[in-house]
Amino acid sequence: AQKITQTQPGMFVQEKEAVTLDCTYDTSDQSYGLFWYKQPSSGEMIFLIYQGSYDEQNATEGRYSLNFQKARKSANLVISASQLGDSAMYFCAMREGRKNYGQNFVFGPGTRLSVLP
Amino acid sequence: NAGVTQTPKFQVLKTGQSMTLQCAQDMNHEYMSWYRQDPGMGLRLIHYSVGAGITDQGEVPNGYNVSRSTTEDFPLRLLSAAPSQTSVYFCASGRQGPTNYGYTFGSGTRLTVV
Repeated sequence: AQKITQTQPGMFVQEKEAVTLDCTYDTSDQSYGLFWYKQPSSGEMIFLIYQGSYDEQNATEGRYSLNFQKARKSANLVISASQLGDSAMYFCAMREGRKNYGQNFVFGPGTRLSVLP
Repeated sequence: NAGVTQTPKFQVLKTGQSMTLQCAQDMNHEYMSWYRQDPGMGLRLIHYSVGAGITDQGEVPNGYNVSRSTTEDFPLRLLSAAPSQTSVYFCASGRQGPTNYGYTFGSGTRLTVV
């Protein structure tokens, strides 16, 4: 079964508008972490934001915020005031606490965001 | 700090050839892993290591070998390259500990097997 689901293969957004990238996850752990990474066309993986399962407030990092709905097991990324440089592939990932020994990240299939001028 | 260094950045192999993708990190991270990235499939774990001398298989280990003789280095060996191994390969490293420890990725190796 897919642990991380990103249902939007591609998204378009107008420059300066906000956009939400969806992510749902599946885990039976109580302790886990959720991450979003950005992969621009140059190929590198850039860490954007983290949300812990016990965090009561939604994480924010500059123009990025994470809409964390624990009961629904969703961790959507919100990008405010989109910029042309935000055009990239975005991956949602999860790290499960009980797998400390292996510490494997599980990634979703990604969403390609295109920002239109 | 250099972070995670992967070499080479690009490689073309003929079917049946073998090669080693190099990965080195200078952050004293215990955990290192190799992923492959294919269109529409995200990143899939090939092999990982939680310390020198300890390795284990991930989701897609067939056709690949790893070893971890030092904390810094985690090479990935393709034993007999196949066209199905055409992919972009990422090495990542991280610290043991709570779930808020993220991973640092190398810049990737684009491998084509013809």
